[in-house]
Amino acid sequence: QQQVKQSPQSLIVQKGGIPIINCAYENTAFDYFPWYQQFPGKGPALLIAIRPDVSEKKEGRFTISFNKSAKQFSLHIMDSQPGDSATYFCAATSHGGTSYGKLTFGQGTILTVHP
Amino acid sequence: EAGVTQSPTHLIKTRGQQATLRCSPISGHTSVYWYQQALGLGLQFLLWYDEGEERNRGNFPPRFSGRQFPNYSSELNVNALELEDSALYLCASSSPTGLQETQYFGPGTRLLVL
Repeated sequence: QQQVKQSPQSLIVQKGGIPIINCAYENTAFDYFPWYQQFPGKGPALLIAIRPDVSEKKEGRFTISFNKSAKQFSLHIMDSQPGDSATYFCAATSHGGTSYGKLTFGQGTILTVHP
Repeated sequence: EAGVTQSPTHLIKTRGQQATLRCSPISGHTSVYWYQQALGLGLQFLLWYDEGEERNRGNFPPRFSGRQFPNYSSELNVNALELEDSALYLCASSSPTGLQETQYFGPGTRLLVL
């Protein structure tokens, strides 16, 4: 019940394409869902985050779509660039219970954007 | 504003030894979190410290321990090292304001156990 399942494991797109990464969760206590971007040799950097009271959030070229009833959320990257090539992680946490303060991460998606 | 810093960047130990990893949070942040990123296992939550107290703990054996100092920096200790402890250890910090949910990560310490 604590897992966050992420797909696909890897994704290759051409420059300008719109990669989509999907995540699903079981724990209905989760109430905050961030996405992180990680480059080789670096720590994860926060990209964008959403709470379950909204269905979509945009920040620049990054959009999160959230479906509370299906317990799914996804990241869309508009007009993708070679510099977006990185590993992307979805995560979830709650403000109470055993998940309080703990980010539960998906397994990660390796994105490659070809020029 | 300086980000989360961690030291050392790399650490090589042999099986059975102890490792000590250090983390300095972003200025003004009072919570520190530790995660293990092992190859093929993703990011796993280890520990959360806030105001010097352990607030939550992940599913790791007791030989993984830590503490938080009065200046909010933190130390992760791993005793009786095993080969499978080889991983990138990430520290994150969060602000005491708001819901404390946004965690900012440091660059990590890469531990290799031989």
